Amino acid sequence: NAGVTQTPKFQVLKTGQSMTLQCAQDMNHNSMYWYRQDPGMGLRLIYYSASEGTTDKGEVPNGYNVSRLNKREFSLRLESAAPSQTSVYFCASSARRSAYNEQFFGPGTRLTVL
Amino acid sequence: QKEVEQNSGPLSVPEGAIASLNCTYSDRGSQSFFWYRQYSGKSPELIMSIYSNGDKEDGRFTAQLNKASQYVSLLIRDSQPSDSATYLCAVGIAGGGADGLTFGKGTHLIIQP
Repeated sequence: NAGVTQTPKFQVLKTGQSMTLQCAQDMNHNSMYWYRQDPGMGLRLIYYSASEGTTDKGEVPNGYNVSRLNKREFSLRLESAAPSQTSVYFCASSARRSAYNEQFFGPGTRLTVL
Repeated sequence: QKEVEQNSGPLSVPEGAIASLNCTYSDRGSQSFFWYRQYSGKSPELIMSIYSNGDKEDGRFTAQLNKASQYVSLLIRDSQPSDSATYLCAVGIAGGGADGLTFGKGTHLIIQP
């Protein structure tokens, strides 16, 4: 099993450009998440999807949209990139069984917006 | 606003000694607690989860939880240079909730050979 995979690994955008970050998991997990990690700020939740067909905002959703394409895939879209969106983006998934919410992370996408 | 606080470090520990990492959280409704290890340039890796008060041991790692004091800790016994990394404390809500986790900013641990 590959676990959680993300594409691309690196991306450079100009201000105003758009792009979609892709995430897929092969662990048959119900829940998926997008986080960003900035120096000195820690990991912050952007959006999450508790189950196929649902999405909800996290702590820092402005400037982003998401799509839960199916149970395996959860994409993050930047419609008009801004330098403040320069960050490392991590996708995670969770089985969401009983009281447990152990999340497993993908390798990340390093995004630079010029 | 949920908050998770960690000392940023760096915390320097001699090889073979016990490393002690601490975390406090603000939301009394929190029910799930996790420690992640993150090497520089890599993604967070789950190393321990704990849901009940007390200690949970897994190999060289022991997680400790005290909900009354809103305090979580991680002990690493027989520290190795390969344990040098940033350790992230994360807290979640109960009931199998699929809400995302709230993370601390991490403690940078250095194991001195």
